[in-house]
Amino acid sequence: NAGVTQTPKFRVLKTGQSMTLLCAQDMNHEYMYWYRQDPGMGLRLIHYSVGEGTTAKGEVPDGYNVSRLKKQNFLLGLESAAPSQTSVYFCASRPVWGADQPQHFGDGTRLSIL
Amino acid sequence: DQQVKQNSPSLSVQEGRISILNCDYTNSMFDYFLWYKKYPAEGPTFLISISSIKDKNEDGRFTVFLNKSAKHLSLHIVPSQPGDSAVYFCAATLLNTGNQFYFGTGTSLTVIP
Repeated sequence: NAGVTQTPKFRVLKTGQSMTLLCAQDMNHEYMYWYRQDPGMGLRLIHYSVGEGTTAKGEVPDGYNVSRLKKQNFLLGLESAAPSQTSVYFCASRPVWGADQPQHFGDGTRLSIL
Repeated sequence: DQQVKQNSPSLSVQEGRISILNCDYTNSMFDYFLWYKKYPAEGPTFLISISSIKDKNEDGRFTVFLNKSAKHLSLHIVPSQPGDSAVYFCAATLLNTGNQFYFGTGTSLTVIP
C-alpha cells in the first residue's frame, strides 16, 4: 500500500528553469494539497484540490500552478524557478467523507534553486 | 500572519519523563485541532486530534488538552521514549470548510535515553 508518492525526491534547478512535481495517491481520496516547508515557517499551503478538475489557491500560491486532471494525481508546476522557491515540498491527501479525517502526507521533494 | 504558533522550537526530555508540547492559535473559529509527528526525510504522520467540543483526548501515551478560552492546546507524552524524538506540528482547521489546515512551525523533541 503506497499511500502518497511524490516524484522526484530531490531536484536541483537553475533560476528560470521550469519543472513539475508529481503527487500520486492510491487511496481514492478526493482532497489533495501541496505545502512547502521552510525553516521557522512550518507547513504553508500552496494550492489544494477538492476533486478531479478543480483547484484552489492556498496561503502562498504565487509562482506556482497546479493541475488535477486525474483523481489520483496532483501536479505542482514552477514555470520560472526562483531561489525563493528553494524548499521542501509536501503533498497530502484526505477523503471527503468525515470532515475530521486527517491528511496523509508523502515523504517530500527537496528542491534547490541555484 | 501565523494563525497557529508553536513558540518552543525545541525541547529535551529524559526517557520516562513527561513531554509537554504547546501550541497557540489566534482564530477563535477553529474547531478541530491535530498533532502530527515528523521524522527526518519523511512526511508528517497523524498522531492525535481533538474537537473543540472536548477539552481532552487520550490515545495511549498521548493526550491532547484544549483550552478554548486561552486559545491554547498542548500535547502530553507519558512516558517519553527515545523513539518519540521527532518534530511535532500542531494544526487547526474549520470543520465546515474542511479545506485548509493551518500548521504551526513545529517543535523538535529529543528524548534522552
